[in-house]
Amino acid sequence: QKEVEQDPGPLSVPEGAIVSLNCTYSNSAFQYFMWYRQYSRKGPELLMYTYSSGNKEDGRFTAQVDKSSKYISLFIRDSQPSDSATYLCAMSNKAAGNKLTFGGGTRVLVKP
Amino acid sequence: EPEVTQTPSHQVTQMGQEVILRCVPISNHLYFYWYRQILGQKVEFLVSFYNNEISEKSEIFDDQFSVERPDGSNFTLKIRSTKLEDSAMYFCASKFGQTSNQPQHFGDGTRLSIL
Repeated sequence: QKEVEQDPGPLSVPEGAIVSLNCTYSNSAFQYFMWYRQYSRKGPELLMYTYSSGNKEDGRFTAQVDKSSKYISLFIRDSQPSDSATYLCAMSNKAAGNKLTFGGGTRVLVKP
Repeated sequence: EPEVTQTPSHQVTQMGQEVILRCVPISNHLYFYWYRQILGQKVEFLVSFYNNEISEKSEIFDDQFSVERPDGSNFTLKIRSTKLEDSAMYFCASKFGQTSNQPQHFGDGTRLSIL
């Protein structure tokens, strides 16, 4: 079983729709959960950062973590064509150096 | 907003040659990382660096790889004798705090092409 799994997509939605992304993981030691956005030929750009279970909202973005199910989600409301990118989930354990373990990324296309 | 900068953006090197990838992390950050992403694959951890020494490395980071912080601002990744399979995007990242609850910020990467 892969440590972090993410549907590669592509996920195509009309402008204004809600984009729903998720990752599952197998390592129960993961405590910190991140979502990064990656445009073509660019580095991962941090969108959301959450600790343990619960919800976090920032503007159009909502991140959810369900540690009991080992499942994390990212929702993008009122999607825009500029949201078209690859979305990477990443997670780490509690060690101070905490390397990130990434999912494979979901490609999202928001059509005008 | 402060950012991680990487140079060069693209490096083409003959197989067997040495290559050095350079990074300038965010200035007050204390932890530094290298990751790589082979085309079409996941971003993979290579090495983390703190207090002038390697704190963790993956099995990818073998004796051909080394890291250095030669001064107060640069962080470098050296590959001694490049192989075709080293062709990938290499990302540098940095993190502020000694505690684990700080996110990592990434540069835009160096695309390494081995011929």
